[in-house]
Amino acid sequence: GEDVEQSLFLSVREGDSSVINCTYTDSSSTYLYWYKQEPGAGLQLLTYIFSNMDMKQDQRLTVLLNKKDKHLSLRIADTQTGDSAIYFCAGATGANNLFFGTGTRLTVIP
Amino acid sequence: DADVTQTPRNRITKTGKRIMLECSQTKGHDRMYWYRQDPGLGLRLIYYSFDVKDINKGEISDGYSVSRQAQAKFSLSLESAIPNQTALYFCATSEAGQGVGELFFGEGSRLTVL
Repeated sequence: GEDVEQSLFLSVREGDSSVINCTYTDSSSTYLYWYKQEPGAGLQLLTYIFSNMDMKQDQRLTVLLNKKDKHLSLRIADTQTGDSAIYFCAGATGANNLFFGTGTRLTVIP
Repeated sequence: DADVTQTPRNRITKTGKRIMLECSQTKGHDRMYWYRQDPGLGLRLIYYSFDVKDINKGEISDGYSVSRQAQAKFSLSLESAIPNQTALYFCATSEAGQGVGELFFGEGSRLTVL
């Protein structure tokens, strides 16, 4: 299966930008995803990027994909306390499964 | 009401007991999945089902079994629970189509095996 790696923790001050990074091993992923898990809840899809794109912007979220280095990042502009959560990157290698990273716990300091 | 409902939300049991976690969905999706989440390990796929007659093993199926009773229902069983099965379990659904598509998760079932 695919290995998807993320750093476990990130702390930022409210109003700053957050950048969450992810590296993966399987370059055949057609889509790469970012999921958000709030405390006590399941995961929810935040955004995704198709593998032939370099960047995708969606309001405060910017996804950057470097296929050569197999690196995916999620930038959250003007980070708010409500953004505190665990963020998972995931890749799909075929029709059957998403391979999830370990998750990055983002803490926003007021 | 949640689109993907898991019961129970929390369960404490003893080693050797049989446990069933249930999942029901109102999204009308054909595909259903069971994942477990462990701190520092992310989510790992246990079993998945693409329709009522289709059951497939995931990465970590040993010690688990599943039943797809209907399109809307997918249950996970631990025949003889052991402490390293202590984890947070998630059911998820997705629409049929090319690729996995978006997964819709339940709120999770926290299982503790003593």
